[in-house]
Amino acid sequence: ETGVTQTPRHLVMGMTNKKSLKCEQHLGHNAMYWYKQSAKKPLELMFVYNFKEQTENNSVPSRFSPECPNSSHLFLHLHTLQPEDSALYLCASSQAIAGLTGELFFGEGSRLTVL
Amino acid sequence: GENVEQHPSTLSVQEGDSAVIKCTYSDSASNYFPWYKQELGKGPQLIIDIRSNVGEKKDQRIAVTLNKTAKHFSLHITETQPEDSAVYFCASLMDSNYQLIWGAGTKLIIKP
Repeated sequence: ETGVTQTPRHLVMGMTNKKSLKCEQHLGHNAMYWYKQSAKKPLELMFVYNFKEQTENNSVPSRFSPECPNSSHLFLHLHTLQPEDSALYLCASSQAIAGLTGELFFGEGSRLTVL
Repeated sequence: GENVEQHPSTLSVQEGDSAVIKCTYSDSASNYFPWYKQELGKGPQLIIDIRSNVGEKKDQRIAVTLNKTAKHFSLHITETQPEDSAVYFCASLMDSNYQLIWGAGTKLIIKP
């Protein structure tokens, strides 16, 4: 196990639903990330939190809303999603912002299907 | 914007043979190049990385080479085994904002 746990592993929702993805890390890391993974595409960085403060928001639509209540927990709140938002959402953590130590520890992902 | 090109998208090799995956990056200021392996149903996991002050790094059957002049780096896996079957991602670190720029991945298939 990587020490990063994501729930739920699978989620099916309609376009009018509201749901949340949860991520918890047990590694004592200070930085947490949300990535979107679509088939045969590079990983897309969505949000970065460093010491609970959001440091990056890579032009993500407002229907995705992150929340980081403490350094161990990260949420991604979802509402009025579109079918093209269907993807694997990966949470990751690192000791600090990637570059100082370099290694990201990923969870197993939440597979989201939007109907 | 900055990007990383990764080739091939799919690679099928006979068990025991070698596999090579290549990446090209665009940001000349990049100084850190990791490789991640993603097995089915799991998240990516770091397998090897290299910093810009070295040209090659090895770890048992895995090696990474870096050519900064050409802005190329490659992953070499020797004596491939069934457990090497996975999707491999390269990435480069943008020095300006510490963000990783990822390749699109290579699906490596090891044929028995």
